Amino acid sequence: AQSVTQLDSHVSVSEGTPVLLRCNYSSSYSPSLFWYVQHPNKGLQLLLKYTSAATLVKGINGFEAEFKKSETSFHLTKPSAHMSDAAEYFCVVSEGAGGFKTIFGAGTRLFVKA
Amino acid sequence: SQTIHQWPATLVQPVGSPLSLECTVEGTSNPNLYWYRQAAGRGLQLLFYSVGIGQISSEVPQNLSASRPQDRQFILSSKKLLLSDSGFYLCAWSVGTGYARSPLHFGNGTRLTVT
Repeated sequence: AQSVTQLDSHVSVSEGTPVLLRCNYSSSYSPSLFWYVQHPNKGLQLLLKYTSAATLVKGINGFEAEFKKSETSFHLTKPSAHMSDAAEYFCVVSEGAGGFKTIFGAGTRLFVKA
Repeated sequence: SQTIHQWPATLVQPVGSPLSLECTVEGTSNPNLYWYRQAAGRGLQLLFYSVGIGQISSEVPQNLSASRPQDRQFILSSKKLLLSDSGFYLCAWSVGTGYARSPLHFGNGTRLTVT
């Protein structure tokens, strides 16, 4: 069985400082892992995806994530936060083709202070 | 490029009234289609998914139903809305079965308030 745990329900950073959003997963197979961002009253937008290629994955808007199998982690980072990064972020694990074996984390709300 | 359209953006309906939310996808064929609900302060809950015309799988027994009358059209319905049906409804698509590791692509959602 697969599961995903986002370790922080909310994270607050100052503009210009690094962002770290933590995600641990559990999977019986070699999973695919994704990070999505959701702005208020909007749909989820794909930030990046890991699909068994390079363990360091670069995404949009300066975000990247590193797949660490030994730690079963897929943390999302960004070197310098921008005010527009304030949103909810979801870590997602998927084992199967087609998307219906996709499990969403509970989400991490990112606050960015000026 | 592929696009997904979902409407309406917001909807306020009285208890006991019917519901119809529509979602269409452009630029791809035979996609997998999904309806999710996101209740306030909670994560995403998969309601229905479809791998082809007329094929609907329900993940959660409830007051809602889904239909796929055309390849790229997905409809969420209810005959009589309940207060508990309030929430943010998201339609999504992914590349059809056989293409592993395809991400989900979401519409902009419908905010449903049942009064």
